[in-house]
Amino acid sequence: DAGVTQSPTHLIKTRGQQVTLRCSPKSGHDTVSWYQQALGQGPQFIFQYYEEEERQRGNFPDRFSGHQYPNYSSELNVNALLLGDSALYLCASTSRGTGGGGYTFGSGTRLTVV
Amino acid sequence: GEDVEQSLFLSVREGDSSVINCTYTDSSSTYLYWYKQEPGAGLQLLTYIFSNMDMKQDQRLTVLLNKKDKHLSLRIADTQTGDSAIYFCAESKTGGSYIPTFGRGTSLIVHP
Repeated sequence: DAGVTQSPTHLIKTRGQQVTLRCSPKSGHDTVSWYQQALGQGPQFIFQYYEEEERQRGNFPDRFSGHQYPNYSSELNVNALLLGDSALYLCASTSRGTGGGGYTFGSGTRLTVV
Repeated sequence: GEDVEQSLFLSVREGDSSVINCTYTDSSSTYLYWYKQEPGAGLQLLTYIFSNMDMKQDQRLTVLLNKKDKHLSLRIADTQTGDSAIYFCAESKTGGSYIPTFGRGTSLIVHP
């Protein structure tokens, strides 16, 4: 049973560019959350998608946007990249209604902005 | 201050017990978690405890929760070099769709 898969694993972008990161949730999961983990920090919640809609959002600017497809996979888009956007981006999935014990994380996408 | 706080570093000798501590601020936290992150990897859920419990044991791992003091600890018995990693404490609540909020992590170094 595949867990959460993210692509690509590593990415280098130039300041001002746009980037799209992808996530496939664990089989049976319908809810996807995205986190940003800067070096030496804990993961910070960006937003969560369920039923193709953004349901909750953390303290991130509108440059961060997302999408969820009918097959529950999700994308994170970041526009006008800043050097400070360099981080590990983690995707986590769960099944709505399983309570708080069911979040599974992927291995992340390491984004470097130069 | 931070919602979840942890000390940043812990160094132990192989075979000893490790105790990683965490404090949180929100008394409405429903679930409390411990995640492990190895270098270059994502997060692995080690264990979690529901807020109406005060202890949970799972093989070498023991979680203690003091809800009055909002203090959570993770004890690793017989610590091995393979336990070297960053350990994150996290909390979630019912009203927040159980979205985990993380601390900054404790780097555990196990030396021979």
